[in-house]
Amino acid sequence: EDQVTQSPEALRLQEGESSSLNCSYTVSGLRGLFWYRQDPGKGPEFLFTLYSAGEEKEKERLKATLTKKESFLHITAPKPEDSATYLCAVQISGAGSYQLTFGKGTKLSVIP
Amino acid sequence: NAGVTQTPKFRILKIGQSMTLQCAQDMNHNYMYWYRQDPGMGLKLIYYSVGAGITDKGEVPNGYNVSRSTTEDFPLRLELAAPSQTSVYFCASSNLAVQGGNEQFFGPGTRLTVL
Repeated sequence: EDQVTQSPEALRLQEGESSSLNCSYTVSGLRGLFWYRQDPGKGPEFLFTLYSAGEEKEKERLKATLTKKESFLHITAPKPEDSATYLCAVQISGAGSYQLTFGKGTKLSVIP
Repeated sequence: NAGVTQTPKFRILKIGQSMTLQCAQDMNHNYMYWYRQDPGMGLKLIYYSVGAGITDKGEVPNGYNVSRSTTEDFPLRLELAAPSQTSVYFCASSNLAVQGGNEQFFGPGTRLTVL
């Protein structure tokens, strides 16, 4: 069974305190790994797609990396506006692989 | 572009009532999805569609029905509401590329309470 596990469940950081969120996955074959940001009361907002081990993508203070078993979302010098729940999802390879399997998310709080 | 829109934003139903959650997208995406999100449980796929007239079940389809008569619209029907259907419902769409990934774009959600 395909599984996606995110850790920690919640993370509190001081403003400027860098850290990483983890997404580990167990799938038969990975076509893509996705990161989303979700603010309270809103729908998930797409951030990144990673396709192969060793790939990295950056956007402002966020950098996503991928290995064969996990992905990290690194947050450098976070600001209070980075507070949100970050979701990870995987898409398996193969015909008809439309579905994404989501993790439960990491709730990030950045304290001024 | 408005992206993915959903109506209503909030709704309270009594047990046994029926309703339709509306979803529309203006990005000409061929794929559309319905998810539910419960606290601490992550997003679960209810139904999806790969094009007008084609729908299929996801992970948690029981108690729901869908139809897709146009590219733009993908309504979700609850026939006999039950308390277990209290949740936040999200519609999403994507334009699945042959070689690419399935980046899905989400609507703002409908918060449904069944009492």
